[in-house]
Amino acid sequence: QSALTQPASVSGSPGQSITISCTGTSSDVGGYNYVSWYQQHPGKAPKLMIYEVSNRPSGVSNRFSGSKSGNTASLTISGLQAEDEADYYCSSYTTSSTLAFGGGTKLTVL
Amino acid sequence: EVQLVESGGGLVQPGGSLRLSCAASGFTFSSYWMSWVRQAPGKGLEWVANIKQDGSEKYYVDSVKGRFTISRDNAKISLYLEVNSLRAEDTAVYYCARVRTSSGWRLDSWGQGTLVTVSS
Repeated sequence: QSALTQPASVSGSPGQSITISCTGTSSDVGGYNYVSWYQQHPGKAPKLMIYEVSNRPSGVSNRFSGSKSGNTASLTISGLQAEDEADYYCSSYTTSSTLAFGGGTKLTVL
Repeated sequence: EVQLVESGGGLVQPGGSLRLSCAASGFTFSSYWMSWVRQAPGKGLEWVANIKQDGSEKYYVDSVKGRFTISRDNAKISLYLEVNSLRAEDTAVYYCARVRTSSGWRLDSWGQGTLVTVSS
């Protein structure tokens, strides 16, 4: 049960776009289209932002988008806003009927 | 409105035990898989356990197998996590979350968490 690999931090200026990668294996990210992304502000519970690689739950801004190629998934946030500053975690279903999370990426809006 | 409210956390000595609870409301609890996820202070999210709608299937992260037990009571609309033989590295905020398995597998609703501190 290995964690998925994310960059520790990314940054961007308001209005810019950023992409966060999430690398796993064929037993998780590469084996299923069950990749999700969560946003977590300090002291708050995580919030689902993307599911099934690229789907947005109702109420999530269309500035958030997801994709996947092979064993790597990506979250892109366009038109960065100050409120997007948070920690972001990817997650994937695995062959063991378990869930794996990435180590998290801290997004700083400059 | 979906609500998940955890309770039962606290300060416990190494080797001790606690029973965490999660009270659910606003949805048909018995129709969903449920999960526990934890977050150590200043660290990332770690999935801990899943339980099927009727409790017939349970899955755990390797580090808690044999020490933690996930269970549910659909009549009481509650999820539980029995945590035993606690270690310092189990110190974390423990979240319960609802699992959506239609069109993928994701945690679409989360509680606010309950803090477990393991220290002498």
